[in-house]
Amino acid sequence: AQSVTQPDIHITVSEGASLELRCNYSYGATPYLFWYVQSPGQGLQLLLKYFSGDTLVQGIKGFEAEFKRSQSSFNLRKPSVHWSDSAEYFCAVGMFSGGYNKLIFGAGTRLAVHP
Amino acid sequence: DSGVTQTPKHLITATGQRVTLRCSPRSGDLSVYWYQQSLDQGLQFLIQYYNGEERAKGNILERFSAQQFPDLHSELNLSSLELGDSALYFCASSAQASGSGEQYFGPGTRLTVT
Repeated sequence: AQSVTQPDIHITVSEGASLELRCNYSYGATPYLFWYVQSPGQGLQLLLKYFSGDTLVQGIKGFEAEFKRSQSSFNLRKPSVHWSDSAEYFCAVGMFSGGYNKLIFGAGTRLAVHP
Repeated sequence: DSGVTQTPKHLITATGQRVTLRCSPRSGDLSVYWYQQSLDQGLQFLIQYYNGEERAKGNILERFSAQQFPDLHSELNLSSLELGDSALYFCASSAQASGSGEQYFGPGTRLTVT
């Protein structure tokens, strides 16, 4: 069955530090992978996505993610975080087949950035 | 602002009642999705509609139903509500039924069942 695992429930970092949020997926075919961010009281905003091609993808707000097929991973990174990056981050795998389209989400990682 | 609107923003109701959540997709998007976000289940896909037709079902209870109208807005109906139905319900939309198109999420409706 398709699934997404985000091993870290909470992460706390200092402002200016680098960040890596882990994501592992289980999917039989070539995955479509996404990272979404949810700020308190807000909906989900797409940070970046991977469909094919270059395994290092750039997103908004200075985030990037690297697809590693051998490790079934799609980790999110940022070289220097800002306090405004405090939010919950969700990794998702997209199932697109036969005229339908749905996202399977991980449990999320809550990020707290301290000034 | 994603362009997806959801009403109401908050809803408080009692067990056994029925509620309707409404979603308007982004202009031009034909596909609408419903997701439920709860503390114990996380973010779960409920159902997808494309141009008025149901396309995919996820973990949607039989007490829940949805439809998409000719003007493309969608409604999620929740009946015989239980305490465990308290959650944040998101609607999302995309241009196509399948493929790699991005889903744009609305701000959600927070349902509290007392």
